[in-house]
Amino acid sequence: SALTQPASVSGSPGQSITISCTGTSSDVGAYNYVSWYQQHPGKAPKLMIYEVSNRPSGVSNRFSGSKSGYTASLTISGLQAEDEADYYCSSYTSSSTLVFGGGTKLTVL
Amino acid sequence: QITLKESGPTLVKPTQTLTLTCTFSGLSLSTSGVGVGWIRQPPGKALEWLALIYWDDDKRYSPSLKSRLTITKDTSKNQVVLTMTNMDPVDTATYYCAHRPSNGWFFDYWGQGTLVTVSS
Repeated sequence: SALTQPASVSGSPGQSITISCTGTSSDVGAYNYVSWYQQHPGKAPKLMIYEVSNRPSGVSNRFSGSKSGYTASLTISGLQAEDEADYYCSSYTSSSTLVFGGGTKLTVL
Repeated sequence: QITLKESGPTLVKPTQTLTLTCTFSGLSLSTSGVGVGWIRQPPGKALEWLALIYWDDDKRYSPSLKSRLTITKDTSKNQVVLTMTNMDPVDTATYYCAHRPSNGWFFDYWGQGTLVTVSS
């Protein structure tokens, strides 16, 4: 089943926010194969973090990832208006499949 | 530069079979470890992973949709095809194809997506 994310988070410009992604011993807890995607309205998802904490080339270092136990986290520091978007986590599973989270809507106040 | 583009019908009737094609450039499905996957997103809802095909023709499917899905590749045409049988209005969604890099469990390049509506 889908990974669990908060439906929404918010923060003011310049602040930091963290989005959690909770799974099980068969996915997040078992592998360091958690990735995070940003999606603006009407656009395709964009990879922001892969393998828990790695940033693809071109992604701002304001985005960081971590994991503890069954929960992975995406932190955005120095919040900017352009960060307002939906964010999805994803994990590899013990069934050799992939699973996404339910998504989190980030609002920049 | 890797690009992917989805194509197929925008409207299908309930019970029909959907066939979607992902045409890509800048990548080779002959390269060890590479894969192409399909992900969908109903309007206003979350992403849902559907299927993945690897360079060696190994295939993986979402457990909840496995009985309805088939993924194939045509390396010579740089295409991956997804078929989904017995379509239902709840399958109305934007369908994306995406590139899985060698030995990576994530998608680094995505197509623009194609909206498929299921309605009689």
